[in-house]
Amino acid sequence: GQNIDQPTEMTATEGAIVQINCTYQTSGFNGLFWYQQHAGEAPTFLSYNVLDGLEEKGRFSSFLSRSKGYSYLLLKELQMKDSASYLCAVIQVTGGGNKLTFGTGTQLKVEL
Amino acid sequence: DAGITQSPRHKVTETGTPVTLRCHQTENHRYMYWYRQDPGHGLRLIHYSYGVKDTDKGEVSDGYSVSRSKTEDFLLTLESATSSQTSVYFCAISDQGQGAGGYTFGSGTRLTVV
Repeated sequence: GQNIDQPTEMTATEGAIVQINCTYQTSGFNGLFWYQQHAGEAPTFLSYNVLDGLEEKGRFSSFLSRSKGYSYLLLKELQMKDSASYLCAVIQVTGGGNKLTFGTGTQLKVEL
Repeated sequence: DAGITQSPRHKVTETGTPVTLRCHQTENHRYMYWYRQDPGHGLRLIHYSYGVKDTDKGEVSDGYSVSRSKTEDFLLTLESATSSQTSVYFCAISDQGQGAGGYTFGSGTRLTVV
């Protein structure tokens, strides 16, 4: 089975930096995704990590430590439009291909 | 998202009736998934498909069945809808079972069972 934990809610100030953590326990680990989901919309892809280390993409960065079962998403220069739910998802290899399992999401509120 | 559509977008149905949701893709991706999203639970996998006529159960498959008779269509059926199946249903597609290609989600179907 899998267990994915992330904080339920976070609040940050416009222009600041925020780090959203995700811890997981899984067998057959084959990568980790971060998705952004605005209210009433579909999740959209932010990042993918399969090797240890930091992946940077503009204002967003994602880090993975496979030995610790730990990842974080770093958002810089926060904007009001970054207010959304951020979903950590782990890929598990199975006999029938890959399964993507999600955490419950972190609701980020960006304030002035 | 372009290349993946779900229908209907909204549906209200009565308890005990069968309901079928459709996911259609034009990307020729091999892998297709059905998730439901509920407050406090996040996205949970119902069923997935790794090829035509090849499907497997996810973590919340009870009360649901799926079919995939051709690459582009993945149908989710609620055999006898219950109020606990009121949810938002998302379909997702992937071109690589290894995950590197990412998963693209449809816009979702909001189902209400009364």
